[in-house]
Amino acid sequence: GENVEQHPSTLSVQEGDSAVIKCTYSDSASNYFPWYKQELGKRPQLIIDIRSNVGEKKDQRIAVTLNKTAKHFSLHITETQPEDSAVYFCAAKTGGGNKLTFGTGTQLKVEL
Amino acid sequence: DGGITQSPKYLFRKEGQNVTLSCEQNLNHDAMYWYRQDPGQGLRLIYYSQIVNDFQKGDIAEGYSVSREKKESFPLTVTSAQKNPTAFYLCASSRDRGSDTEAFFGQGTRLTVV
Repeated sequence: GENVEQHPSTLSVQEGDSAVIKCTYSDSASNYFPWYKQELGKRPQLIIDIRSNVGEKKDQRIAVTLNKTAKHFSLHITETQPEDSAVYFCAAKTGGGNKLTFGTGTQLKVEL
Repeated sequence: DGGITQSPKYLFRKEGQNVTLSCEQNLNHDAMYWYRQDPGQGLRLIYYSQIVNDFQKGDIAEGYSVSREKKESFPLTVTSAQKNPTAFYLCASSRDRGSDTEAFFGQGTRLTVV
């Protein structure tokens, strides 16, 4: 089955700096890679996603890149703000099935 | 108001008891999922269902059971066979048709064994 590894587990940045979170996956048949943000005490919510036929996707201050050959994808947050502080999860889904496998999460802290 | 609803928000169980967590969605989604969240371990898949009357085990199904008698509902039973049930449980659903694959989560149920 699919295995998703996520690094780092914790990340502290100064406000205005960039943050990068990296994930690797094992199943070459995976074709959908979402990123979720979970604020303290709240449900995870989708912030951006990418499909295997695209190498990069950007939405304002956040972007995701995908390297299918290396089987890894990354989340990039630029100009970080205190409200970006949360736990971020990557995930991978294999085509033909609906199983969505998550990484272990990254606790991002944006310091003033 | 569309969405996915979990109940109760907090649940306390005595050792040896079975408890059932509710998950209902009115998004007309085909797929539904149950995840367990523990600190430092992310979201681990317990069970998932692609259609009514069908479900598959996830990575940590032992000690849990589910049913999918209606499209809208996917209840999870935590049985006495689950040795460490204290955790935060999240239910999710998705349409999974074409490019429409986003999974939406409920607000979660925090289960504590007392």
